[in-house]
Amino acid sequence: EPEVTQTPSHQVTQMGQEVILRCVPISNHLYFYWYRQILGQKVEFLVSFYNNEISEKSEIFDDQFSVERPDGSNFTLKIRSTKLEDSAMYFCASSEWRTNTGELFFGEGSRLTVL
Amino acid sequence: AQTVTQSQPEMSVQEAETVTLSCTYDTSESDYYLFWYKQPPSRQMILVIRQEAYKQQNATENRFSVNFQKAAKSFSLKISDSQLGDAAMYFCAYGGSQGNLIFGKGTKLSVKP
Repeated sequence: EPEVTQTPSHQVTQMGQEVILRCVPISNHLYFYWYRQILGQKVEFLVSFYNNEISEKSEIFDDQFSVERPDGSNFTLKIRSTKLEDSAMYFCASSEWRTNTGELFFGEGSRLTVL
Repeated sequence: AQTVTQSQPEMSVQEAETVTLSCTYDTSESDYYLFWYKQPPSRQMILVIRQEAYKQQNATENRFSVNFQKAAKSFSLKISDSQLGDAAMYFCAYGGSQGNLIFGKGTKLSVKP
């Protein structure tokens, strides 16, 4: 069964460093998302991506964050200068349709620890 | 803004018994979807069941069913004949006009043999 895959599974970085989290969505899906979950808190929406551009983003997704689909298969989340509060589990997801109607397929998550 | 509340951080059920997980939400929209996602330990979240707000009939998927009370903005998940493999975090989620999902904090379900 097709899966969303994410790398790395865990990354430890120093505050101020750049981090890139990678995701390979399911191949025939058109909508891509990043969510994050700070330990013990809600899963929060960061950004959605469709047709090679951001379609929606939350207030969390500030100028430190960017997303890219560099080669038609990978979908990346970049954090330019990490802060302690960026420590969280980051989930990539993809879907055939907009999430409010269709099923979201999630990856296993990338745990980011900022020291 | 829409919100989703899961008031039970943890629940426990005996194998083969039935358990109900609670979820309430707040919205001013009339057309939306509600979801329950399951996240087993160290695995990705998968969709368990989906309810369309305009449908009065409660959704059912095998041992999983929902009790959708639109007026009360309540969307509980019932798991019948609980199995050890049902042990996971369960997230309630709302999908409205904004195009992204709004999740609750989750309920950790333990299944005792």
